[in-house]
Amino acid sequence: QSVLTQPPSASGTPGQRVTISCSGSSSNTGSNTVNWYQQFPGTAPKLLIYRNNQRPSGVPDRFSGSKSGTSASLAISGLQSEDEADYYCEAWDDSLSGPVFGGGTRLTVL
Amino acid sequence: QVQLVQSGAEVKKPGASVKVSCNASVYTFTSYGISWVRQAPGQGLEWMGWISTYNGNTNYAQKFQGRVTMTTDTSTSTAYMELRSLRSDDTAVYYCARVSGAVVVYFDYWGQGTLVTVSS
Repeated sequence: QSVLTQPPSASGTPGQRVTISCSGSSSNTGSNTVNWYQQFPGTAPKLLIYRNNQRPSGVPDRFSGSKSGTSASLAISGLQSEDEADYYCEAWDDSLSGPVFGGGTRLTVL
Repeated sequence: QVQLVQSGAEVKKPGASVKVSCNASVYTFTSYGISWVRQAPGQGLEWMGWISTYNGNTNYAQKFQGRVTMTTDTSTSTAYMELRSLRSDDTAVYYCARVSGAVVVYFDYWGQGTLVTVSS
């Protein structure tokens, strides 16, 4: 049981816009920024979004993040087949004194 | 390009210990902390702890306290994670990750992962 809640799956067709939600509590997403990671099967996670909405160098601007209250969202516009991957949200938890992850969302491009 | 290169796969028996290494390059090792994150087969990511490469301070997740030790060797820019009293549910891929940011942290570079299999 993950501390942050994500839908287990999401899907979209090429060119579409999809969003993935991440829900937490006052001790994590409600009081700290949210980061997002992308993971392809058999490979290490890669930082996609940090501090709610910042993109590291090299991440396409099709990827965007937002946060409101205790919920955060990752949006992918102009969906491409290569976006098919697992996506994880993560935030610091003040009660646990450490970062916590969501259970991950598998994105399928139909 | 920042690189974190981890040691190879391990197979251990229940009750044994494993020590995974993570060699950093192309940045100043002591300027960023290192965290360890594991992923059981088909499961999500689980944070295990953090070590300051500057002074060796550690912060372990409660679940692993007493069973994990994280260390560094600044002369070789290498971080280590030792997990003791292994159980079958410790079978997972173990990742090291560079910790960026100060008050607000995130994992900006990851090692390739080390598969640890615990089986009798």
